Amino acid sequence: GESVGLHLPTLSVQEGDNSIINCAYSNSASDYFIWYKQESGKGPQFIIDIRSNMDKRQGQRVTVLLNKTVKHLSLQIAATQPGDSAVYFCAEKTTGGSYIPTFGRGTSLIVHP
Amino acid sequence: GAGVSQSPSNKVTEKGKDVELRCDPISGHTALYWYRQRLGQGLEFLIYFQGNSAPDKSGLPSDRFSAERTGESVSTLTIQRTQQEDSAVYLCASSLRPDTYQETQYFGPGTRLLVL
Repeated sequence: GESVGLHLPTLSVQEGDNSIINCAYSNSASDYFIWYKQESGKGPQFIIDIRSNMDKRQGQRVTVLLNKTVKHLSLQIAATQPGDSAVYFCAEKTTGGSYIPTFGRGTSLIVHP
Repeated sequence: GAGVSQSPSNKVTEKGKDVELRCDPISGHTALYWYRQRLGQGLEFLIYFQGNSAPDKSGLPSDRFSAERTGESVSTLTIQRTQQEDSAVYLCASSLRPDTYQETQYFGPGTRLLVL
């Protein structure tokens, strides 16, 4: 069936490095994508989103890239800090579809000082 | 302003007992969602409330699970005859305008349920 998933369950980086977290999706009708950050003991927190009519969107130290051809989504975090250590989830929605986003499994980002 | 709150933050119960989990959404948010998150896993949708519409219960895993919502405020998730497999974090989220598909969900801190 259709699904949203992540390539890497765990990513370890050094403080100051750039991090890239990847997400693959299989529903070609998906047209809205969201990244969430979940710190230990907390609920997921919205980071950034992107619509399918865009290839790239930038926030503060974060950039989301969307490649619709290969159904791939990535979250880039610049100058990663220890406070970025968390689990990152991608989620997708479809216009006219369910109001309920489909979440991927998550990638654990570990930032070493 | 206040975010989504959930109570209790932690709950330990014995197998076979019933539990009630509470969610207070952000004031004015018409949509409310319940999710289950097992250790090291993603979010599993359970149930969705939107205003006075019939809830979407398609994610409830069994008839032991039920949820209610009073108007556009508090919601309770009830698990009857708990099983060890019910151990998980139960997350609640609310959103302002679910008719806009880009609406953002705001999550509570979750209730950590442990069934012994």
